[in-house]
Formats: sequence, structure tokens, C-alpha cells
Amino acid sequence: EVQLLESGGGLVQPGGSLRLSCAASGFTFANSAMTWVRQAPGKGLEWVSFITGSGGSTYYADSVKGRFTISRDNSKNTLDLHMNGLRAEDTAEYYCAKGAKTWDYWGQGTLVTVSS
Amino acid sequence: DIQMTQSPSSLSASVGDRVTITCRASQSISSFLNWYQQKPGKAPKLLIYGTLSLQRGVPSRFSGSGSGTDFNLTISSLQPEDFTTYYCQQSYITPLTFGGGTKVEIK
Repeated sequence: EVQLLESGGGLVQPGGSLRLSCAASGFTFANSAMTWVRQAPGKGLEWVSFITGSGGSTYYADSVKGRFTISRDNSKNTLDLHMNGLRAEDTAEYYCAKGAKTWDYWGQGTLVTVSS
Repeated sequence: DIQMTQSPSSLSASVGDRVTITCRASQSISSFLNWYQQKPGKAPKLLIYGTLSLQRGVPSRFSGSGSGTDFNLTISSLQPEDFTTYYCQQSYITPLTFGGGTKVEIK
């Protein structure tokens, strides 16, 4: 059974940093691209970033480019999102999802709140 | 960036009704169109990928159609568990983009 479990969310001040993690199980992690998608409270879905299975290529939404970094550790079956320079508009539920451009499994999400 | 426009943003229907949700892309995306269902407080769930293909485990009352710029999600006979929000998403090119969502409510 595929499982994705996010962690690391919380309250952070504007300009601060946070690292989200996603622990994956139930599939061959190294063979699968992985993605972060976010959803601001009461709003729609927004693609954030994806990384290829090898970790050799990464892609970002313009809204986070230069501030967020996606990475993975295939030996530990974990996906990370390093978030710097956080802004109020980054407040959202962050989901990790399996796949590059189509996502067949999703985690339950972790909430990031950026506020002073 | 490719803009995805869903319509309607909300609709009211009854159990057993046939409903269609439309998604329009700002440029051609061939058949690279997915549909997700999201229930309150839960992660989205993939329903249909590649415009037409039903994800494993999804009931056959859900179907997709279209190509190019215009796409539809049809629910042939609404069930109580279908009253929730649906999103389209283009998987043609980054940045990957979603429609604004359609909330299906009970009439």
C-alpha cells in the first residue's frame, strides 16, 4: 500500500525558514518523480515543485523559485521541501504527491502558517 | 503560463442527476488533462488522467472527454458521496496549472 506522510509544518514568522518532509512507502521511491502541491485556506490547488526520480532535475513555480528547494534522499525514501524567505502568501496546506505531472497518490498534508 | 478555466464554479443537483463540468485551457494541451476530486479536509484524489482514462478504483459513473482546449468531466448519476469539489489540471507543460474548482452541492 502506497503511503505518503508529510511533516514539518507549523507557524513561522515572515522571512523565516521551514523544512517539510515526506516519508514514502509502498512503492519503489527511486523510480518515481515526486511533487509538492499547496492549497491556501479556502482556496484552490497550486503546483509548487517536482523532482525527478534520480533527483537530477527539479522544477518550480515562479511564485517559489529562488526561495524553495526540493530535494530527495532515495536511500531513506524521503522527499523534502526547504522553504526560505517565507511570506504570508505561502500560508497553505502542503501536500506531497507521487508523480511528475499526474499525481495518483497524495499525503494527508501539513499546514504552514506564515504570520507574525 | 496555461490558464485553466472551470465552469461552473458551483452547481446544485440532486442524487441521480447527470452533471457535466467544463474545463477550458488557454492554449492547446492535447489530451494532457486530469481531473481530481477533493472532499473537505482531505487530499485530492485522482479520478481521470489523460482526458479519458479512469483511475483504478474510481466508479464508472465518472467519465472524461475532450481534446485541445475544451474538456468535460461527466458524472452520469450523482451519488451522495459525489457532492464535493472537483479540479481539472493540465499536465502538458510546466508550470502545471489547475482550474479554479467546481463545487457540486445538493439541491
